Amino acid sequence: NAGVTQTPKFRVLKTGQSMTLLCAQDMNHEYMYWYRQDPGMGLRLIHYSVGEGTTAKGEVPDGYNVSRLKKQNFLLGLESAAPSQTSVYFCASSYGENRGNQPQHFGDGTRLSIL
Amino acid sequence: AQSVTQLDSHVSVSEGTPVLLRCNYSSSYSPSLFWYVQHPNKGLQLLLKYTSAATLVKGINGFEAEFKKSETSFHLTKPSAHMSDAAEYFCVVSDKYNFNKFYFGSGTKLNVKP
Repeated sequence: NAGVTQTPKFRVLKTGQSMTLLCAQDMNHEYMYWYRQDPGMGLRLIHYSVGEGTTAKGEVPDGYNVSRLKKQNFLLGLESAAPSQTSVYFCASSYGENRGNQPQHFGDGTRLSIL
Repeated sequence: AQSVTQLDSHVSVSEGTPVLLRCNYSSSYSPSLFWYVQHPNKGLQLLLKYTSAATLVKGINGFEAEFKKSETSFHLTKPSAHMSDAAEYFCVVSDKYNFNKFYFGSGTKLNVKP
């Protein structure tokens, strides 16, 4: 049972380079999320999606783009990487019912360093 | 915006002693509240959730949390700490207008001494 899978697990980029982080879930969840985790700041929401073909901004969306072309996949893109984007990135998914009592399922994270 | 405050960034206990991790939230409504645990180099795992059914919530691995509306608190407890409980713990609150959008506390690192 794979759950939420993030690819790659580690990456080092140079300033100005671009890359895409892939998140895949096999639980048929409607909602998917991208967070970044920085020391002492908990997780902050970058973008999220409430279903295939939809995306919305979170707390810290600048410098990132996302796409949800298929229900099971949620891609996070960095067009021009900056050192401030050095972080650990987590993808999560949930069933997304209106009551909001559905927990999120998390991947193991992608550790990204921008030099 | 909603906010959640974890009052201690680090907590250290001895194995076999009680654990208390404190969480306060600011809210004018009754949110959904969660506690997650993160072990090193891993993703977050749900410990327990509160969704207005009962104020005392039982979770996995012997953890509990009590929702106190008057104090806007949702503290996490465990009667007896185990070495395997050493991890970082996050308190999470749902957004007022979008129940599937969440805000995370800054985390509490729990150290368990032998």
